[in-house]
Amino acid sequence: DAMVIQNPRYQVTQFGKPVTLSCSQTLNHNVMYWYQQKSSQAPKLLFHYYDKDFNNEADTPDNFQSRRPNTSFCFLDIRSPGLGDAAMYLCATSRGGPAGGQFFGPGTRLTVL
Amino acid sequence: EDQVTQSPEALRLQEGESSSLNCSYTVSGLRGLFWYRQDPGKGPEFLFTLYSAGEEKEKERLKATLTKKESFLHITAPKPEDSATYLCAVQAGTTSGTYKYFFGTGTRLKVLA
Repeated sequence: DAMVIQNPRYQVTQFGKPVTLSCSQTLNHNVMYWYQQKSSQAPKLLFHYYDKDFNNEADTPDNFQSRRPNTSFCFLDIRSPGLGDAAMYLCATSRGGPAGGQFFGPGTRLTVL
Repeated sequence: EDQVTQSPEALRLQEGESSSLNCSYTVSGLRGLFWYRQDPGKGPEFLFTLYSAGEEKEKERLKATLTKKESFLHITAPKPEDSATYLCAVQAGTTSGTYKYFFGTGTRLKVLA
C-alpha cells in the first residue's frame, strides 16, 4: 500500500544533542511537509518542499533544518534540541496544487532529557 | 488574518447520540477544506475534502458539509470507536503561487458505551 513512513517512531535525546528524523513516501507526491504537534494543539507547520523548492515558515526556529535528497525522502534535523522541542513530529505529503488533502505518517515522538 | 476555529473543544456523547462538530474559517483564496481524524499518539488520518459551498461528502457514520464560512462534521449514531480528535484544515493560495494549510486545534470526541 502507498504510504508515508516515519523513523524512528520514538526518539529520546539529550539536551543539546543533535537528532535527525526521517520520512519516506511511496505516494510519489511532489510536496512534503514537516509539522510539530504538542499535546492538545494543532499541528504547526515548520517547512515544506514543493518539489525541490524549500519553503521555511517565518517563525520556524533556526535550530530546525530540513533536507530532501530526492522525491521519496525528507529529513528533519534539530541541531541543538531544547526541552521545548519535545513534541510529536509529523511528516505529510500531498500532490501539488489544489488537488487534495495531506497524507500523514504515524509521527515521531521526540523526548528531550 | 487567516484562521481556522473549531468548536466545541471537547464533546462527550452517548453511543447512538448524533451531533455535529463545527469548523469556521477566515481565509482568502480558499482552495479546499479537509477533515482528519487523529487517534492519540498517531498521525492524522485523512477523511474528506470539500471544495465548494454546498458540497457534501459521506463515509459510514460521518457526513461533512461546507458553506462559505464554515463546515460541519455530522456524526450519526456514533459508536465508541468513533472516539478521537477531529481536525479541520483549510488550503489557501499564497501570493507566491504556492499553497498553505491552516489547521484548527480540533474537537476531542468521546463516545460512551
